[in-house]
Amino acid sequence: AQTVTQSQPEMSVQEAETVTLSCTYDTSESDYYLFWYKQPPSRQMILVIRQEAYKQQNATENRFSVNFQKAAKSFSLKISDSQLGDAAMYFCAYRLGGGSNYKLTFGKGTLLTVNP
Amino acid sequence: KAGVTQTPRYLIKTRGQQVTLSCSPISGHRSVSWYQQTPGQGLQFLFEYFSETQRNKGNFPGRFSGRQFSNSRSEMNVSTLELGDSALYLCASSTGTGGKETQYFGPGTRLLVL
Repeated sequence: AQTVTQSQPEMSVQEAETVTLSCTYDTSESDYYLFWYKQPPSRQMILVIRQEAYKQQNATENRFSVNFQKAAKSFSLKISDSQLGDAAMYFCAYRLGGGSNYKLTFGKGTLLTVNP
Repeated sequence: KAGVTQTPRYLIKTRGQQVTLSCSPISGHRSVSWYQQTPGQGLQFLFEYFSETQRNKGNFPGRFSGRQFSNSRSEMNVSTLELGDSALYLCASSTGTGGKETQYFGPGTRLLVL
C-alpha cells in the first residue's frame, strides 16, 4: 500500500521569508501524481501544486515550487516570499495513475504559521 | 462556475442513529469522492462514484455507504453511528476522465456524534 509521510507536524516562517515543507512517499508504481493541498482554518481544501511522476521538471506555481526527487521518493514544497495568508495546514498527497483511480492518499499534514 | 457544495454544514447526532450527507459537484463533473478527516487518523478515503457507479472503495466498515444520482449529486450514509464517526466529511469532484486533473473539494460537513 502506498504511504505518505510528513515528518514536520509544525513549521513557522517570518513574513517574506522562504520555508520548505517535507514529504516522502512509498510506492512501487511508476505512474502516479503528487499534490500539495492547503487547508486554511475555513477547512476548505485547496490545491496548491501538482507534479506528474513522469515529468523530471519540478512544478512551479507563482511563489510555490516543488523539489521532486523520484529516486528518493521525496516531494518537498517551497514557499517563497511567505505571506500571512499562507498560514494553513499543508497536506502532501499521492494518487496512482490510470484513468479510473481517484483515491488520494494523504500525509498527516504540516501546520504552517506565518509570523508578521 | 459554482464550486462543490455540501449539505448540511454541521450536524449533531446521537449514537445508534443514522445520517445522510449530500454533495453537489461542480457542473459537468461526474466523479465524486468522499473523505473522512479526524485528528487521529487524518484524511482517509471512503469511496468514489462515477456515473452512478462506485468505482473505488476505501477500508471502512459496511455502515458507510454511498450513492450517486443521474445528475452526479452524491450522498453518503452512515448507519448505527458510533462516537468515533465524529469527523469532518469532505467530498471532492472532478470530471472523472483520469490523468492529472484536479479534484476540487467542498467545504465539508462536520458531524458530531454524542
